[in-house]
Amino acid sequence: DIVMTQSPDSLAVSLGERATINCKSSQSVLYSSNNKNYLAWYQQKPGQPPKLLIYWASTRESGVPDRFSGSGSGTDFTLTISRLQAEDVAVYYCEQYYTTPPSFGRGTKLEI
Amino acid sequence: QITLKESGPTLVKPTQTLTLTCTFSGFSLTSSGVGVGWIRQPPGQAPDWLALIYWDDDKFYSPSLNKRLTITKVTSRNQVILTVTSVDPVDTATYYCAHQLFTVVPGSLVSGIYDFWGPGIKVTVSS
Repeated sequence: DIVMTQSPDSLAVSLGERATINCKSSQSVLYSSNNKNYLAWYQQKPGQPPKLLIYWASTRESGVPDRFSGSGSGTDFTLTISRLQAEDVAVYYCEQYYTTPPSFGRGTKLEI
Repeated sequence: QITLKESGPTLVKPTQTLTLTCTFSGFSLTSSGVGVGWIRQPPGQAPDWLALIYWDDDKFYSPSLNKRLTITKVTSRNQVILTVTSVDPVDTATYYCAHQLFTVVPGSLVSGIYDFWGPGIKVTVSS
């Protein structure tokens, strides 16, 4: 299985500032035949299921605010939240779907 | 509007079989490309993918739990059922069912992106 490693484990950012979360995969999730990175990001608030934010490493899901952006390729990826808002407090997970089973990172807890 | 909801027992004893039902609306498991997965999340831990079933009855399982899992669908009832045999306290978790995002790349259907999730059911395994 592909192991996903996130950093940091937790992060405190001031309102209106930028938050950056990193994710590293144990092997490349870039599929060379289509040049797509099989990497997604989810947000999970307490007592709620995960919510899909981004897939293909940088494609924002419908309805997700544009302050959320994803970048990276191969094995190293970043989720950036610009202009942090109070409602962004949550745990964020990266997920690879390059192989079955898909696998998730251990999460990054974002606080104000 | 796509919705899913999990149902089943919230407390099971070790060695018993856990049966969970996912009842959904807003899509059909008879439509080409549609898939429904099960994912669980132990308390304070990351999500852990369990199984996936497609419209054509193709099924995939987590290798680590393969022998203990069975996923089936009842299309007439818009339901997907997951059974977990020989449960142990380590199976204590919130269990989610989720709709797989329909997206394709040339030559294949993409698996593993989940765009709609049920609220989850918290299952405790204890004697």
